[in-house]
Amino acid sequence: LAKTTQPISMDSYEGQEVNITCSHNNIATNDYITWYQQFPSQGPRFIIQGYKTKVTNEVASLFIPADRKSSTLSLPRVSLSDTAVYYCLVGDPGSSNTGKLIFGQGTTLQVKP
Amino acid sequence: GAGVSQTPSNKVTEKGKYVELRCDPISGHTALYWYRQSLGQGPEFLIYFQGTGAADDSGLPNDRFFAVRPEGSVSTLKIQRTERGDSAVYLCASSSYLHTEAFFGQGTRLTVV
Repeated sequence: LAKTTQPISMDSYEGQEVNITCSHNNIATNDYITWYQQFPSQGPRFIIQGYKTKVTNEVASLFIPADRKSSTLSLPRVSLSDTAVYYCLVGDPGSSNTGKLIFGQGTTLQVKP
Repeated sequence: GAGVSQTPSNKVTEKGKYVELRCDPISGHTALYWYRQSLGQGPEFLIYFQGTGAADDSGLPNDRFFAVRPEGSVSTLKIQRTERGDSAVYLCASSSYLHTEAFFGQGTRLTVV
């Protein structure tokens, strides 16, 4: 059972900033938050990972409030090629007894011209 | 290799037959995961290897499914007496450590007719 909840779908237009919020009310102290992107007929691709506050890389930003019960993936100035499914996952990188990533249904982002 | 390689990319088999799906992880990655993805759903965890041993096989749906990783590198997912419900994309991923960035292959699309 996925430990996260996110919208099933979102629409946007080219050039806009897109924010996808994920709820993880039962996040554990040692859990990190990770986002993956999946294009049709491809495996998921890692986008970003964070624990608290804000993380930014060349692709996206991840905002995590102090209570860590939610997180927001921010994609600046999306293009048509950003149309994909985005998955939010939580897990403990230090866990030694399981490595499974638990995916929910993800958010299907459709970018329109 | 440069990435995770899965073979074959497509496999069509008759109900009741035995199939093997192969995964070549990124060289040096100790963690290897198998997932199954049905249309419109997120990847579903099957099994996780740390080195040669299966650290977590709780996702294998029944005893028709089995996976090995004898030398800690290449892994084979084996499905006996295939059923039409086994039709899905089987994804393999590897990572250098638990819950760090996992790299996914393109998947093997299995169709049982």
